[in-house]
Amino acid sequence: QQQVKQSPQSLIVQKGGIPIINCAYENTAFDYFPWYQQFPGKGPALLIAIRPDVSEKKEGRFTISFNKSAKQFSLHIMDSQPGDSATYFCAAGFMDSSYKLIFGSGTRLLVRP
Amino acid sequence: GAVVSQHPSRVICKSGTSVKIECRSLDFQATTMFWYRQFPKKSLMLMATSNEGSKATYEQGVEKDKFLINHASLTLSTLTVTSAHPEDSSFYICSAGLAGRNEQFFGPGTRLTVL
Repeated sequence: QQQVKQSPQSLIVQKGGIPIINCAYENTAFDYFPWYQQFPGKGPALLIAIRPDVSEKKEGRFTISFNKSAKQFSLHIMDSQPGDSATYFCAAGFMDSSYKLIFGSGTRLLVRP
Repeated sequence: GAVVSQHPSRVICKSGTSVKIECRSLDFQATTMFWYRQFPKKSLMLMATSNEGSKATYEQGVEKDKFLINHASLTLSTLTVTSAHPEDSSFYICSAGLAGRNEQFFGPGTRLTVL
């Protein structure tokens, strides 16, 4: 019940394309869903996060869509650029707590020029 | 703001020696720090959660006597890999959190290679 399932494992798109990464969770008590971006040899960096009281959140070219009834959320990257090539992790946790985050398995994104 | 540093960034040691990795929150006080291990092209595996001034909580399967965690202040946590072996070679990443908030700020990671 603590798992977060992420797909696809890897993704290749052309520059300007819109890669979509999906995550699903089981624990309905989760109320905090962040996405992290990680470049090789670096630590993850928070990209964008959402709470279940909204269905969509946009920050620049990054959008999270949230489907509470389906217990799924996804990351869309608009007008993707080669510089977006990285590994993306979704996670789930509890906002008002220092409890651990449950991470997905990661998606390696390659944006071709 | 919310910068987390790790030192060293890379370390190579001989089998049987101990290695200490430091994690510092530079511009905020971290009530909770997390230590992760990451294998190549894999997800982050949480090793332990530490709160300032108390013993760390280790995840199942993580040897607490091998991976010693100390969180002596609100800005510093250390991970010591004792009697390191080649299978301990990995990328170790810490993160720091704020009281009452689950947002975690990650350090840049430490690449450990045990010969």
